[in-house]
Amino acid sequence: QSVLTQPPSVSGAPGQRVTISCSGTSSDIGAGYDVHWYQQFPGTAPKLLIFGTYKRPSGVPNRFSGSKSGASASLVITGLQAEDEADYYCQSYDNDLSALFGGGTKLTV
Amino acid sequence: QLQLQESGPGLVKPSETLSLTCTVSGGSISNYPYAWDWVRQPPGKGLEWIGSFYYTGTTYSNPSLKSRLTISMDSSKNTFSLNLSSVTAADTALYFCAKHDTRGSSYVVLDLWGQGTLVTVSS
Repeated sequence: QSVLTQPPSVSGAPGQRVTISCSGTSSDIGAGYDVHWYQQFPGTAPKLLIFGTYKRPSGVPNRFSGSKSGASASLVITGLQAEDEADYYCQSYDNDLSALFGGGTKLTV
Repeated sequence: QLQLQESGPGLVKPSETLSLTCTVSGGSISNYPYAWDWVRQPPGKGLEWIGSFYYTGTTYSNPSLKSRLTISMDSSKNTFSLNLSSVTAADTALYFCAKHDTRGSSYVVLDLWGQGTLVTVSS
């Protein structure tokens, strides 16, 4: 089972737009499985941010959006706010019937 | 509204079995077409999916842990449990229970999480 590949860190100024990438293989994202994104603040449980590649749970601002192309996916955050500073994880599924996470990306605002 | 809460020993000796329980409150664990998951996070590191127990009784496990892993459910206690045998220091982590809805087209959307419990493997 492989881990999805994310950049360790990204940064942006308030109001800017940042993109967090998530790279998989032909056995997971590239096989057509959806991608989900989670936001985690230090010392707390992850929170579902995006599911089904681009859908937002109720209460998640539309500043957060997701997309997928081939074996890669992206999380885009527009209008960055200080409160967005957190760790972000992508997650998908693979042909071995396993869920798998990316290594996580620390966003600094 | 469902809530999840992990419980269990915070310290386990090497080679022994790590046992954790997740208590589901706010509803009956067997009333929903859900799967009940375990996820862990070593200190300062990323998330790792451990496995799922489906309401049908089927379990799915991380291949890297499968040989040491048992996930079960106790409807009478409204809990589900994790047993990981032959632990080493590499199993030291914050362990989360979570759940996902088995309906829909997306797999393993973890939409509810417990707060997590830290388990340290040390003699």
